[in-house]
Amino acid sequence: KQEVTQIPAALSVPEGENLVLNCSFTDSAIYNLQWFRQDPGKGLTSLLLIQSSQREQTSGRLNASLDKSSGRSTLYIAASQPGDSATYLCAVEGSQGNLIFGKGTKLSVKP
Amino acid sequence: GAVVSQHPSWVICKSGTSVKIECRSLDFQATTMFWYRQFPKQSLMLMATSNEGSKATYEQGVEKDKFLINHASLTLSTLTVTSAHPEDSSFYICSAYRGTANTGELFFGEGSRLTVL
Repeated sequence: KQEVTQIPAALSVPEGENLVLNCSFTDSAIYNLQWFRQDPGKGLTSLLLIQSSQREQTSGRLNASLDKSSGRSTLYIAASQPGDSATYLCAVEGSQGNLIFGKGTKLSVKP
Repeated sequence: GAVVSQHPSWVICKSGTSVKIECRSLDFQATTMFWYRQFPKQSLMLMATSNEGSKATYEQGVEKDKFLINHASLTLSTLTVTSAHPEDSSFYICSAYRGTANTGELFFGEGSRLTVL
């Protein structure tokens, strides 16, 4: 059974720092991996989608990498800003087309 | 732990028919639920926010008359795809907050895969 783990559960950094969020999964047979942002009380906002054949995707200050063989993905946020404060979730799409989510990393960027 | 249940997990229907998908919070009350869909090889996208006792809030580009959302109780939200067409074939997933909006935890259903023939 696929399990998705995100480390750390919470992270607090000063503004301007570069940071890395980690996501690991137990079954490497995935179709894709997605990173989302969740603001309190709101639905998810899709950030990046990495297909199983890809190794990374970039959008602005965000860069996500995927290493299927080791079951890992990282989300790199450059020059963090207070507006980046949110919970970041990763999810993998398995062979049956279902989505398995991690518990998320709660990020706080302090001015 | 808290569980959000979706039903059905898979559904195949003919074009022109309507399909109802249920999202239940099994051991907590959820005033707010969210509905998402994911087309093949695309990101999961938020469709609407379902609030118990009031009208759902739809995201831009989502037809409210086609995707009817009812959140009549604190444990059940339903999404009805009316007059479904093949282009509505997608993976639909719901999520629900347990707790307050600012401090609650978000739980996901297992999703419902709709295929319209």
